[in-house]
Amino acid sequence: AQSVTQLDSHVSVSEGTPVLLRCNYSSSYSPSLFWYVQHPNKGLQLLLKYTSAATLVKGINGFEAEFKKSETSFHLTKPSAHMSDAAEYFCVVSDVFKIIFGKGTRLHILP
Amino acid sequence: DAGVIQSPRHEVTEMGQEVTLRCKPISGHNSLFWYRQTMMRGLELLIYFNNNVPIDDSGMPEDRFSAKMPNASFSTLKIQPSEPRDSAVYFCASSSLTGSPVLSGNTIYFGEGSWLTVV
Repeated sequence: AQSVTQLDSHVSVSEGTPVLLRCNYSSSYSPSLFWYVQHPNKGLQLLLKYTSAATLVKGINGFEAEFKKSETSFHLTKPSAHMSDAAEYFCVVSDVFKIIFGKGTRLHILP
Repeated sequence: DAGVIQSPRHEVTEMGQEVTLRCKPISGHNSLFWYRQTMMRGLELLIYFNNNVPIDDSGMPEDRFSAKMPNASFSTLKIQPSEPRDSAVYFCASSSLTGSPVLSGNTIYFGEGSWLTVV
C-alpha cells in the first residue's frame, strides 16, 4: 500500500537558521516523490521532485531533498530560512496508479 | 505560459443552489485533476481525467457531485444541490502524463483554486 507521512504539522525556525521538514513514505512500486509549497490563498507550486535519478534533488528557492531508500525518507531542507518561506509544504508520493499527498507541514519563520 | 485557469475564484452561495466550477488546463496537457482542500481533511483527490476520459472518480463524495471534460481545454465540477459541508477550496490541476495513464514521475500543475462558501 502507498502512503506518505509528514512527521510535523508545524515547524518554527528563526530567520537565517536551517529548515528541516520531514517526510516518510511507503510504496509497493518504485515511487516518484515531490515537494510542493502553498502560500496563503494560493495554489500549490512544485518545489522539487525525485524520479529515480540522483538521490539529492535541488529545487527552487534554495530547497533540496534527499531520497533515502533505506530509511524510506524524503526530507526537505534549506540552509538558511527566509521570511518568504513561511507557507505550507506538502510531500507527495506517486507510483503508477496513485498520487498521495501528505497532510502538510506549516512552516513559521520567526524574525 | 498561462497556467491552469480556474473560475470563479470566490463564490458564496446558499444551501440548495447549484454550483459550477470551471477549469482550463495547460495547453497540451492530457490529464486533469480536481482536488478539494479543507482544514479537516486536507487535500483530497476527487476525480481525474486522462484524454478527457474519467479514470478514477472514487474520491467524488456523493451523487451531488459531478465532473465533465467535454474537450481537452475545459472541465467543470458541479455540485447540485450544494450543502454547507461542501465549503472548501477546489483546485484544478493538469499534467502531461507519459504513458496512459501512468502517474509516476509526472509533475502536476495547480490552478489558484476556487474558494466556495455555502451558507
